[in-house]
Amino acid sequence: NAGVTQTPKFQVLKTGQSMTLQCAQDMNHNSMYWYRQDPGMGLRLIYYSASEGTTDKGEVPNGYNVSRLNKREFSLRLESAAPSQTSVYFCASSEKGGELFFGEGSRLTVL
Amino acid sequence: QKEVEQNSGPLSVPEGAIASLNCTYSDRGSQSFFWYRQYSGKSPELIMFIYSNGDKEDGRFTAQLNKASQYVSLLIRDSQPSDSATYLCAVKSSGGSYIPTFGRGTSLIVHP
Repeated sequence: NAGVTQTPKFQVLKTGQSMTLQCAQDMNHNSMYWYRQDPGMGLRLIYYSASEGTTDKGEVPNGYNVSRLNKREFSLRLESAAPSQTSVYFCASSEKGGELFFGEGSRLTVL
Repeated sequence: QKEVEQNSGPLSVPEGAIASLNCTYSDRGSQSFFWYRQYSGKSPELIMFIYSNGDKEDGRFTAQLNKASQYVSLLIRDSQPSDSATYLCAVKSSGGSYIPTFGRGTSLIVHP
């Protein structure tokens, strides 16, 4: 049982490049989330999807887009990466506001 | 703006002592409270949740909730070096939202 799988685990980008972080869960959860974590800042919500077919902005959505491809997959896209987007990104899933299950994280550096 | 506050620490305790981690929240309508543990370089994992006022015990861990005072705490008895991690408090409000709000976390160091 893989739980929540994120790819890639590490990525280095140049300013202005684009990339997509992929996330898939095999727990049949309805809700999925993208967080970023910076030193001393805790977990900040970028976007979430309460159920298949819906997405909503979180606390820090600027510079990001998301797609809920199906119930299993929720991707995060950076259209034009900026150094301020250097962070660790976590995907998570849950069922009706219960426990969040996190992926292993994706460490992104933007030069 | 719903806020969840935690002392960033580090909280340093000797092995075998009780570690007490505290969290306050601003939304009086909050219904669900979670404690996550995050080891350095790893993802958060749930260790306790609590919904009702009072204490909830699970092994060496006790979560305490006081809704009137709007705080939730986590006690770790017989602390071990392996408990050294950052502890994140998460609070979910009522109203159908499935979005928990996280505190910034408290770093715990258990020294031998």
